Amino acid sequence: SAVISQKPSRDICQRGTSLTIQCQVDSQVTMMFWYRQQPGQSLTLIATANQGSEATYESGFVIDKFPISRPNLTFSTLTVSNMSPEDSSIYLCSGRSYYQETQYFGPGTRLLVL
Amino acid sequence: SQQGEEDPQALSIQEGENATMNCSYKTSINNLQWYRQNSGRGLVHLILIRSNEREKHSGRLRVTLDTSKKSSSLLITASRAADTASYFCATGGQAGTALIFGKGTTLSVSS
Repeated sequence: SAVISQKPSRDICQRGTSLTIQCQVDSQVTMMFWYRQQPGQSLTLIATANQGSEATYESGFVIDKFPISRPNLTFSTLTVSNMSPEDSSIYLCSGRSYYQETQYFGPGTRLLVL
Repeated sequence: SQQGEEDPQALSIQEGENATMNCSYKTSINNLQWYRQNSGRGLVHLILIRSNEREKHSGRLRVTLDTSKKSSSLLITASRAADTASYFCATGGQAGTALIFGKGTTLSVSS
């Protein structure tokens, strides 16, 4: 199975600030995704991180709020910008190989915005 | 966006009993996957069933898929306290697309 790591594992931030979450995957992964899990809820796909180009965002998520980078095959960052308490969630990085079906997840980043 | 519904939303059983969770989805799929999430932790992949399969087993887990009804079920036999967790189904579409998750079932197994 693929190994996916994230940092930070958790953070407490003040409203109006920004936080960048890092995700590192092993070489088995070619596709990377970012999800949000609001308290007590399921996972919602934010975007697909594309290597060397702009991420593909899902409805309801915009680049200005959630800029994503993927400078190479195994690394991606998600920034949560101009945070408000409504952004308090777990943010999960996920990946898989293009033609394999099983999708793996990082341990998540727990974000609390005060 | 969420793919569909899972029921029940919450399930409480005694150790040794079987737990059944259901998942419905809306669009055509290539596969359906089940995950477990312990409180405050990441997701653990449990089992994958492809759209041309009807049933799959893995240890104490049994998954069924009915594509005509767009539904799946996860059966955990002889439940243990360690099975206490949230369980999510997720559907996979075309190659290269991300999984879309259902709302999840919270299972509580008491000893």
